[in-house]
Amino acid sequence: GENVEQHPSTLSVQEGDSAVIKCTYSDSASNYFPWYKQELGKGPQLIIDIRSNVGEKKDQRIAVTLNKTAKHFSLHITETQPEDSAVYFCAATSNFGNEKLTFGTGTRLTIIP
Amino acid sequence: NAGVTQTPKFRVLKTGQSMTLLCAQDMNHEYMYWYRQDPGMGLRLIHYSVGEGTTAKGEVPDGYNVSRLKKQNFLLGLESAAPSQTSVYFCASSYSLDRAGANVLTFGAGSRLTVL
Repeated sequence: GENVEQHPSTLSVQEGDSAVIKCTYSDSASNYFPWYKQELGKGPQLIIDIRSNVGEKKDQRIAVTLNKTAKHFSLHITETQPEDSAVYFCAATSNFGNEKLTFGTGTRLTIIP
Repeated sequence: NAGVTQTPKFRVLKTGQSMTLLCAQDMNHEYMYWYRQDPGMGLRLIHYSVGEGTTAKGEVPDGYNVSRLKKQNFLLGLESAAPSQTSVYFCASSYSLDRAGANVLTFGAGSRLTVL
């Protein structure tokens, strides 16, 4: 089955700087890669996703890049703000079925004012 | 529009006790899921349902049972709780695969369970 590794497990950045979280996956058939953000005391919420026919996707200050050859994808947050502090999860699936969605272990991002 | 509501939010059990976690969604989603979240382990799927009256096993189903008697509700049961089941449990729901936005999971706020 799919295995998703996520790094780093914790990340602290100064407010205004950029943050990058990286994930690798094992199943070359995986074709959908979402990112979820979990704020303290809440459930995860989808913030951006990318499909395998696209190399990069942006939404305001966040972007995701995908390298199918190397089987890794990354989340980039620019101009970080205090409200970006949260736990971020990457995930991957090969058949668009959510029951097959494999999550990474999470990255706790702390923005230092 | 409440989204996904989980009850209870907190519960402490003794080893061997039973309990049921209730998940309710008001978005008319076909699919519902139960995950557990443990430190350093991410989110792992316990059971899921693709429609009323159907359930299926996920990645870590042992020690849990589920039922989906109504489309809007998905129950997670622990028949004989064990300390290894201490975790934060999340319910999620989504549209079926033939609907736009099917891949988006809507999560509840979580239920923290401690088994002593």
